[in-house]
Amino acid sequence: AQTVTQSQPEMSVQEAETVTLSCTYDTSESDYYLFWYKQPPSRQMILVIRQEAYKQQNATENRFSVNFQKAAKSFSLKISDSQLGDAAMYFCAYRSANAGGTSYGKLTFGQGTILTVHP
Amino acid sequence: DTEVTQTPKHLVMGMTNKKSLKCEQHMGHRAMYWYKQKAKKPPELMFVYSYEKLSINESVPSRFSPECPNSSLLNLHLHALQPEDSALYLCASSNRDRAVDTQYFGPGTRLTVL
Repeated sequence: AQTVTQSQPEMSVQEAETVTLSCTYDTSESDYYLFWYKQPPSRQMILVIRQEAYKQQNATENRFSVNFQKAAKSFSLKISDSQLGDAAMYFCAYRSANAGGTSYGKLTFGQGTILTVHP
Repeated sequence: DTEVTQTPKHLVMGMTNKKSLKCEQHMGHRAMYWYKQKAKKPPELMFVYSYEKLSINESVPSRFSPECPNSSLLNLHLHALQPEDSALYLCASSNRDRAVDTQYFGPGTRLTVL
């Protein structure tokens, strides 16, 4: 079974600064997808960014980018020019692309990192 | 429009009550999901429907009964719940149930069982 670990329960950043959230995962598969989801307080979860394991190039979405190290099984999220609206709980998630596996299609989440943004 | 709606927003019920949660999407998605989320914890998958058929049941107790009447609607029927079932119940949908398909989440129903 796959596991996802977020070792930082809480992080804080000053507005306009850069912060990196860590995520590692454990899998024996070669084909999978990785996601970062954001869940603001009392608001719905939204997808921040997605990475296909077969792509070497790191995904970017405006101020959000990832550092995907497949060999190290590491998938960190960098938030540049942090804004007050970035305050949320961030979840790293893994999804198997192995159609023959029992965990195919299931999202496995890490425990989450609460990000606080200071003005 | 990437919107998943859930009703009600809040629900308080006794252990002998029967209630239902409703989830709706109009994005043409053919996969829909129920998750349970405790405070400051990640969502836990409960059920997956693919093309209106139940494809995954994560060994959820029978007091939770899912139903998918059509491709846009997903219900979760609740009966004889326990206080430990109090949680945020999230619905999600995706184009298909493949790994490549992004899941879009609804705002959730906050359930309290007395």
